[in-house]
Amino acid sequence: KAGVTQTPRYLIKTRGQQVTLSCSPISGHRSVSWYQQTPGQGLQFLFEYFSETQRNKGNFPGRFSGRQFSNSRSEMNVSTLELGDSALYLCASSFSLAGWEQYFGPGTRLTVT
Amino acid sequence: EDKVVQSPLSLVVHEGDTVTLNCSYEVTNFRSLLWYKQEKKAPTFLFMLTSSGIEKKSGRLSSILDKKELFSILNITATQTGDSAIYLCAVVDSNYQLIWGAGTKLIIKP
Repeated sequence: KAGVTQTPRYLIKTRGQQVTLSCSPISGHRSVSWYQQTPGQGLQFLFEYFSETQRNKGNFPGRFSGRQFSNSRSEMNVSTLELGDSALYLCASSFSLAGWEQYFGPGTRLTVT
Repeated sequence: EDKVVQSPLSLVVHEGDTVTLNCSYEVTNFRSLLWYKQEKKAPTFLFMLTSSGIEKKSGRLSSILDKKELFSILNITATQTGDSAIYLCAVVDSNYQLIWGAGTKLIIKP
Protein backbone atom coordinates (compact mmCIF):
# COMPACT_ATOMS: atom_id res chain seq x y z
CA LYS A 1 0.00 0.00 0.00
CA ALA A 2 1.47 3.36 -0.99
CA GLY A 3 2.22 5.73 1.87
CA VAL A 4 1.21 9.33 2.39
CA THR A 5 2.67 11.58 -0.27
CA GLN A 6 3.25 15.30 -0.09
CA THR A 7 4.16 17.71 -2.83
CA PRO A 8 6.28 19.63 -3.27
CA ARG A 9 9.01 18.37 -0.96
CA TYR A 10 10.86 21.67 -0.87
CA LEU A 11 9.69 25.19 -1.55
CA ILE A 12 11.25 28.63 -1.35
CA LYS A 13 8.97 31.65 -1.32
CA THR A 14 9.33 35.34 -0.53
CA ARG A 15 7.40 37.29 2.07
CA GLY A 16 3.94 38.29 0.98
CA GLN A 17 3.51 35.45 -1.48
CA GLN A 18 1.09 32.60 -1.04
CA VAL A 19 1.70 28.88 -1.21
CA THR A 20 -0.35 25.73 -1.67
CA LEU A 21 0.82 22.37 -0.36
CA SER A 22 -0.71 19.06 -1.33
CA CYS A 23 -1.19 15.81 0.56
CA SER A 24 -2.42 12.48 -0.78
CA PRO A 25 -3.42 10.09 2.01
CA ILE A 26 -3.10 6.36 2.08
CA SER A 27 -5.80 4.75 -0.03
CA GLY A 28 -8.93 4.25 2.07
CA HIS A 29 -7.97 6.81 4.69
CA ARG A 30 -10.53 9.55 5.10
CA SER A 31 -8.87 11.74 7.70
CA VAL A 32 -6.05 14.14 6.88
CA SER A 33 -4.36 16.29 9.49
CA TRP A 34 -1.82 19.05 8.91
CA TYR A 35 1.00 20.04 11.24
CA GLN A 36 3.69 22.67 11.36
CA GLN A 37 7.02 21.69 12.84
CA THR A 38 9.75 24.16 13.70
CA PRO A 39 12.97 23.52 15.65
CA GLY A 40 12.23 23.44 19.35
CA GLN A 41 8.47 23.79 18.89
CA GLY A 42 7.48 20.24 18.27
CA LEU A 43 4.43 19.53 16.18
CA GLN A 44 1.82 22.26 16.08
CA PHE A 45 -1.60 21.12 14.92
CA LEU A 46 -3.06 23.16 12.08
CA PHE A 47 -6.31 21.43 11.14
CA GLU A 48 -7.94 18.14 10.37
CA TYR A 49 -10.28 17.20 7.56
CA PHE A 50 -12.56 14.21 7.49
CA SER A 51 -14.89 13.46 4.61
CA GLU A 52 -14.29 16.92 3.11
CA THR A 53 -15.23 18.71 6.33
CA GLN A 54 -12.88 20.53 8.67
CA ARG A 55 -13.34 18.77 12.00
CA ASN A 56 -10.69 20.40 14.13
CA LYS A 57 -8.62 23.54 13.91
CA GLY A 58 -5.51 24.56 15.78
CA ASN A 59 -4.53 27.99 16.97
CA PHE A 60 -3.22 29.48 13.74
CA PRO A 61 -4.19 32.74 12.01
CA GLY A 62 -6.69 32.82 9.18
CA ARG A 63 -3.84 33.02 6.66
CA PHE A 64 -3.66 29.26 7.04
CA SER A 65 -6.48 27.43 5.35
CA GLY A 66 -7.15 24.06 3.86
CA ARG A 67 -9.59 21.88 2.09
CA GLN A 68 -10.21 18.24 1.31
CA PHE A 69 -11.48 16.79 -1.91
CA SER A 70 -13.87 13.90 -2.48
CA ASN A 71 -10.93 11.55 -3.06
CA SER A 72 -9.58 12.54 0.39
CA ARG A 73 -6.64 14.44 -1.06
CA SER A 74 -6.04 17.63 0.85
CA GLU A 75 -4.46 20.97 0.18
CA MET A 76 -3.19 23.56 2.59
CA ASN A 77 -2.83 27.20 1.64
CA VAL A 78 -0.85 29.91 3.36
CA SER A 79 -1.41 33.45 2.18
CA THR A 80 0.71 36.55 2.78
CA LEU A 81 3.72 34.51 3.85
CA GLU A 82 5.83 35.69 6.77
CA LEU A 83 9.38 34.73 7.67
CA GLY A 84 8.04 32.84 10.68
CA ASP A 85 6.11 30.52 8.41
CA SER A 86 9.37 28.79 7.46
CA ALA A 87 8.90 25.26 8.75
CA LEU A 88 8.39 21.64 7.91
CA TYR A 89 4.74 21.02 7.10
CA LEU A 90 3.62 17.48 7.73
CA CYS A 91 0.38 15.85 6.85
CA ALA A 92 -0.88 12.63 8.36
CA SER A 93 -3.69 10.35 7.33
CA SER A 94 -5.75 7.87 9.27
CA PHE A 95 -8.71 5.68 8.56
CA SER A 96 -10.95 7.44 11.08
CA LEU A 97 -10.78 10.75 12.90
CA ALA A 98 -7.28 11.61 14.11
CA GLY A 99 -6.42 9.95 17.38
CA TRP A 100 -6.10 6.51 16.02
CA GLU A 101 -3.00 5.34 14.24
CA GLN A 102 -1.80 8.14 11.99
CA TYR A 103 0.63 7.77 9.11
CA PHE A 104 2.76 10.76 8.27
CA GLY A 105 3.99 11.93 4.93
CA PRO A 106 7.60 13.03 4.34
CA GLY A 107 6.71 16.68 4.73
CA THR A 108 7.17 19.85 2.73
CA ARG A 109 10.07 22.06 3.77
CA LEU A 110 8.96 25.67 3.24
CA THR A 111 11.52 28.44 3.41
CA VAL A 112 10.31 32.03 3.35
CA THR A 113 12.92 34.66 2.50
CA GLU B 1 -4.87 25.00 28.92
CA ASP B 2 -4.15 21.45 27.82
CA LYS B 3 -0.49 20.56 27.73
CA VAL B 4 1.86 17.64 27.23
CA VAL B 5 5.35 17.79 28.69
CA GLN B 6 8.13 15.40 27.76
CA SER B 7 11.31 14.87 29.67
CA PRO B 8 14.17 14.91 29.30
CA LEU B 9 14.38 17.19 26.27
CA SER B 10 17.53 15.41 25.18
CA LEU B 11 19.44 12.37 26.27
CA VAL B 12 22.79 10.87 25.28
CA VAL B 13 23.56 7.25 26.21
CA HIS B 14 25.82 4.47 25.02
CA GLU B 15 24.78 1.48 22.98
CA GLY B 16 23.40 -1.25 25.18
CA ASP B 17 22.04 1.10 27.82
CA THR B 18 18.37 1.17 28.81
CA VAL B 19 16.52 4.46 28.58
CA THR B 20 13.22 5.70 29.98
CA LEU B 21 11.45 8.61 28.37
CA ASN B 22 8.69 10.44 30.16
CA CYS B 23 5.49 12.07 29.02
CA SER B 24 3.19 13.85 31.47
CA TYR B 25 -0.04 15.52 30.54
CA GLU B 26 -2.79 17.82 31.67
CA VAL B 27 -5.57 17.30 29.18
CA THR B 28 -9.26 17.73 29.70
CA ASN B 29 -11.24 14.71 28.56
CA PHE B 30 -8.35 12.37 27.83
CA ARG B 31 -9.01 9.73 25.22
CA SER B 32 -5.64 8.11 24.44
CA LEU B 33 -1.91 8.67 24.36
CA LEU B 34 0.32 8.06 21.36
CA TRP B 35 4.06 7.60 20.98
CA TYR B 36 5.91 8.31 17.74
CA LYS B 37 9.52 8.04 16.60
CA GLN B 38 10.85 10.72 14.27
CA GLU B 39 14.19 9.99 12.64
CA LYS B 40 14.52 12.33 9.70
CA LYS B 41 11.23 13.63 8.48
CA ALA B 42 8.00 11.74 9.03
CA PRO B 43 7.14 10.48 12.52
CA THR B 44 6.33 6.80 12.63
CA PHE B 45 3.73 5.37 14.96
CA LEU B 46 4.94 3.29 17.91
CA PHE B 47 2.15 2.80 20.43
CA MET B 48 -1.34 3.87 21.36
CA LEU B 49 -2.29 3.62 25.04
CA THR B 50 -5.77 3.98 26.40
CA SER B 51 -5.86 1.96 29.61
CA SER B 52 -3.77 2.30 32.73
CA GLY B 53 -1.32 -0.37 33.70
CA ILE B 54 -1.39 -2.36 30.48
CA GLU B 55 2.05 -2.52 28.95
CA LYS B 56 2.40 -2.30 25.21
CA LYS B 57 5.50 -4.00 23.86
CA SER B 58 7.25 -4.16 20.52
CA GLY B 59 10.65 -5.78 20.51
CA ARG B 60 12.95 -3.75 22.73
CA LEU B 61 10.41 -0.95 23.13
CA SER B 62 7.66 -0.91 25.70
CA SER B 63 5.30 1.69 27.07
CA ILE B 64 2.83 2.02 29.88
CA LEU B 65 0.23 4.58 30.90
CA ASP B 66 -0.78 5.79 34.35
CA LYS B 67 -4.08 7.65 34.09
CA LYS B 68 -4.18 8.40 37.79
CA GLU B 69 -0.82 10.17 37.85
CA LEU B 70 -1.26 11.43 34.27
CA PHE B 71 1.91 10.18 32.66
CA SER B 72 3.34 7.59 30.35
CA ILE B 73 6.83 6.17 29.96
CA LEU B 74 8.56 4.72 26.96
CA ASN B 75 11.32 2.23 27.70
CA ILE B 76 13.99 1.13 25.28
CA THR B 77 16.25 -1.71 26.36
CA ALA B 78 19.61 -2.70 24.86
CA THR B 79 19.70 0.50 22.84
CA GLN B 80 21.23 0.56 19.37
CA THR B 81 22.48 3.47 17.26
CA GLY B 82 19.38 3.06 15.11
CA ASP B 83 17.29 4.09 18.09
CA SER B 84 18.68 7.62 17.79
CA ALA B 85 15.69 9.81 17.01
CA ILE B 86 13.23 12.28 18.44
CA TYR B 87 10.50 10.51 20.39
CA LEU B 88 7.18 12.32 20.37
CA CYS B 89 4.27 11.90 22.70
CA ALA B 90 0.76 13.11 21.90
CA VAL B 91 -2.48 13.01 23.84
CA VAL B 92 -5.84 12.71 22.11
CA ASP B 93 -8.76 14.55 23.68
CA SER B 94 -12.45 13.81 23.37
CA ASN B 95 -12.67 15.98 20.24
CA TYR B 96 -10.04 13.77 18.64
CA GLN B 97 -7.59 16.65 18.71
CA LEU B 98 -3.95 15.76 19.33
CA ILE B 99 -1.89 17.77 21.80
CA TRP B 100 1.80 17.17 21.18
CA GLY B 101 4.79 17.29 23.46
CA ALA B 102 8.01 18.93 22.27
CA GLY B 103 9.76 15.59 22.00
CA THR B 104 12.82 13.95 23.52
CA LYS B 105 15.93 13.87 21.36
CA LEU B 106 17.72 10.58 22.01
CA ILE B 107 21.30 10.06 20.85
CA ILE B 108 22.86 6.63 21.12
CA LYS B 109 26.66 6.62 21.01
CA PRO B 110 28.42 3.49 19.71
